[in-house]
Amino acid sequence: GAGVSQSPSNKVTEKGKDVELRCDPISGHTALYWYRQSLGQGLEFLIYFQGNSAPDKSGLPSDRFSAERTGGSVSTLTIQRTQQEDSAVYLCASRQARGQETQYFGPGTRLLVL
Amino acid sequence: DQQVKQNSPSLSVQEGRISILNCDYTNSMFDYFLWYKKYPAEGPTFLISISSIKDKNEDGRFTVFLNKSAKHLSLHIVPSQPGDSAVYFCAANHAGNNRKLIWGLGTSLAVNP
Repeated sequence: GAGVSQSPSNKVTEKGKDVELRCDPISGHTALYWYRQSLGQGLEFLIYFQGNSAPDKSGLPSDRFSAERTGGSVSTLTIQRTQQEDSAVYLCASRQARGQETQYFGPGTRLLVL
Repeated sequence: DQQVKQNSPSLSVQEGRISILNCDYTNSMFDYFLWYKKYPAEGPTFLISISSIKDKNEDGRFTVFLNKSAKHLSLHIVPSQPGDSAVYFCAANHAGNNRKLIWGLGTSLAVNP
């Protein structure tokens, strides 16, 4: 497809379970970002990938959160032992290369932890 | 510490009139500014951006103005259309922060027919 895709679009899970969220960036985009928007909150940065490396993980809220990127393409954000405060919309964005500053977003994954 | 501020949570305008959305920032390192539009249950859609070396960028009905001395930017939509009704987010970044976007809290725009 032409845009960033994310799956699943919605996820309901029980507290304590692990979840995996997937992002397929625009083909050829080397930079990939994860953000989240909690209810009533602004968008906040989680992690940045350049290729398969993550030089900036400063936004991950706890060690229960991790992410990886393989083949310079697909990225997976994993949340272990989910808590109710993890409920949010998780957004993925990709950017073409250094010097190309615009980030393009996927539709997001709405996570609800019961 | 809110580095990007959108002080108006909501704005209502009549169809055909101008919409002006404002954004202030505090970090003088920011060198690139973007406006995104967001509908409920969708991801943000890129609208328009401006580099800090410019003071104006125009794309069709959308114009962004940057006043670096005041650390202020604004998005003008002329003429406003009902389909423009959405939440508008201002975001900023710089080369030293890996270009991660720092976001305002958004302004909900309602364009009334």
